[in-house]
Amino acid sequence: AQSVAQPEDQVNVAEGNPLTVKCTYSVSGNPYLFWYVQYPNRGLQFLLKYITGDNLVKGSYGFEAEFNKSQTSFHLKKPSALVSDSALYFCAVRPPGANNLFFGTGTRLTVIP
Amino acid sequence: NAGVTQTPKFRVLKTGQSMTLLCAQDMNHEYMYWYRQDPGMGLRLIHYSVGEGTTAKGEVPDGYNVSRLKKQNFLLGLESAAPSQTSVYFCASSYNRGETQYFGPGTRLLVL
Repeated sequence: AQSVAQPEDQVNVAEGNPLTVKCTYSVSGNPYLFWYVQYPNRGLQFLLKYITGDNLVKGSYGFEAEFNKSQTSFHLKKPSALVSDSALYFCAVRPPGANNLFFGTGTRLTVIP
Repeated sequence: NAGVTQTPKFRVLKTGQSMTLLCAQDMNHEYMYWYRQDPGMGLRLIHYSVGEGTTAKGEVPDGYNVSRLKKQNFLLGLESAAPSQTSVYFCASSYNRGETQYFGPGTRLLVL
């Protein structure tokens, strides 16, 4: 069965410091991988995705993610965190041949001024 | 270009009542999805549609029905609401199954 794990419910980081939000997956074959962000009382917004090619994917708002096939991970990163990055972040995977996404449980990022 | 819209934004139901949530998209997307979001559980797929006139079950379909009579609309129905259906419901759409899903703002449902 496919699954997505976000091992940290909460990540705190000081403004200006680099941030990492972790995601690992358990899917057969080569999945599509996504990161979404959710601000309070809003729907999910797409940040970036990996389908194939370069393992480092750049997305919106200065975020990037690194695909690591051997570790089955897709961690979200940003070199310098902003207070406005504080939000709930979801990793998602689309297994090969599937019609839908499977989401992790989310990681709440708090950037401390 | 409104993207994905959902109505209503908030609703309170009593146990046993019925209601329909409406999702509309103006991006000419083939695929549409209904998710529910519960604390600590992420988003779980209820039903989805791969085109007008089609529907399919997701991870948690029990207690819900859907219809896709028009390409731009995807309706989620609760025939007899239960407190366990208290949740935030999100609709999403995508051009095809491999493409990015675009989400609506959500409907907060409280079942008493």
